[in-house]
Parts: sequence; structure tokens; C-alpha cells
Amino acid sequence: DQQVKQNSPSLSVQEGRISILNCDYTNSMFDYFLWYKKYPAEGPTFLISISSIKDKNEDGRFTVFLNKSAKHLSLHIVPSQPGDSAVYFCAASAPYAGGTSYGKLTFGQGTILTVHP
Amino acid sequence: KAGVTQTPRYLIKTRGQQVTLSCSPISGHRSVSWYQQTPGQGLQFLFEYFSETQRNKGNFPGRFSGRQFSNSRSEMNVSTLELGDSALYLCASRSDRARNSPLHFGNGTRLTVT
Repeated sequence: DQQVKQNSPSLSVQEGRISILNCDYTNSMFDYFLWYKKYPAEGPTFLISISSIKDKNEDGRFTVFLNKSAKHLSLHIVPSQPGDSAVYFCAASAPYAGGTSYGKLTFGQGTILTVHP
Repeated sequence: KAGVTQTPRYLIKTRGQQVTLSCSPISGHRSVSWYQQTPGQGLQFLFEYFSETQRNKGNFPGRFSGRQFSNSRSEMNVSTLELGDSALYLCASRSDRARNSPLHFGNGTRLTVT
């Protein structure tokens, strides 16, 4: 049962354009969502997150949008740069242990982003 | 601030052996989680430790175990290794000061079981 899905295995974008990565989830208990970027042979690097009480969060070139009714989130990268080429994972967490534990993340399968110069 | 440090980076073991992986979290982080990454299953949660106690556990067999020390450093152990245990094992830490704070990952230990 895949609770977090990234339906696009790959995305190719021209440098300077917008990259839009999508993610869907099924578990209505998820209340915190994150995006990570991963290069081969390295651990995931945290990019940006959003709490379920918000519908948008921005950090520089990265913006995450959350649509709770559709159980959908997206990551926008503007403008895209060749250094953004990597695998992007969305992840979600739900409160556990009386609301104190957020150490369990459920990950999507990842989207390979390629930004062409 | 130093990031999450995992040792060793690479390990080759034989079926039936056991292995111990080590993780030093970011200074001040008391929550440590472990994940397994494989091509087929993606990133899967193993367990989370906080203040030397296991707080949450994923769906892995009992051969996978962990512990946390008083300085928040953590180890995970896999006994009776199987070929399917070959994976990248990732450790992550987070600050418990904010309810919503992200996990920060180390670069992992690549385990190969032959």
C-alpha cells in the first residue's frame, strides 16, 4: 500500500524554465510534508517543508504547494538550474507517540529531474 | 555544525554474518531514525530512537535492531544477513524542539551481502 506516490519517474526541463514535481498521498493523518533532493551515493538533502495548516511555503527558488482536499502537493523550482539535476523525493509524516514523534517519514519513489543547459 | 556522520561508508559481508552500523547525529539532536534504501522498495523506515528509547518501529523482521546511547549516538545491527539485506542504510537526526522539524540525513552505509 503506497501511501505517498510520485507518478512521474522522470522530468526533463530547460535551464531557466520552471520545474514542477508532483506528489499524491492517501493517508489523511499526514500533517507534515517535506521535499528532499538526492545525488547518487549521498544521503537525501532537505529542501523545503510545509505543515498541513498552510497551503504554500517559499524558500528562494523553491515553493511547495499543498492541496489538502486533493491530497496533492507539488514542488516548483524557478528558475531551474543544471545543478538542480538530481532525484527528488517527497515525504510525509503523521504524529505518533502522543504527538511527539515525527521521525518516521513515508517516502514517494522519487522523480529524476534533469535540467538541460 | 557538523552533519550526520555514518560509519563505515561501505561494508561487504557474507550471508549469515551480522553487522553493526554507527551513526553520530547533529549536535543537539536527540532523535535518530534509520532508513533502508533499495532499488525495489525505495526508502523505508526502520526505527526511531529518542533518549535511548525506541519510539517507533517499521515493518522489518527482528533481525534488525538498534540502540541509542546517552550521547544520542546510535547503532543498528542486522543479524543473520540475507542477500536481500544489501542496501544503502541511512541514518537521520532531527531536533525535537519544534514539532515540525525536518530530518537531516547522513550519507549512508552501503552494505553488500554476498
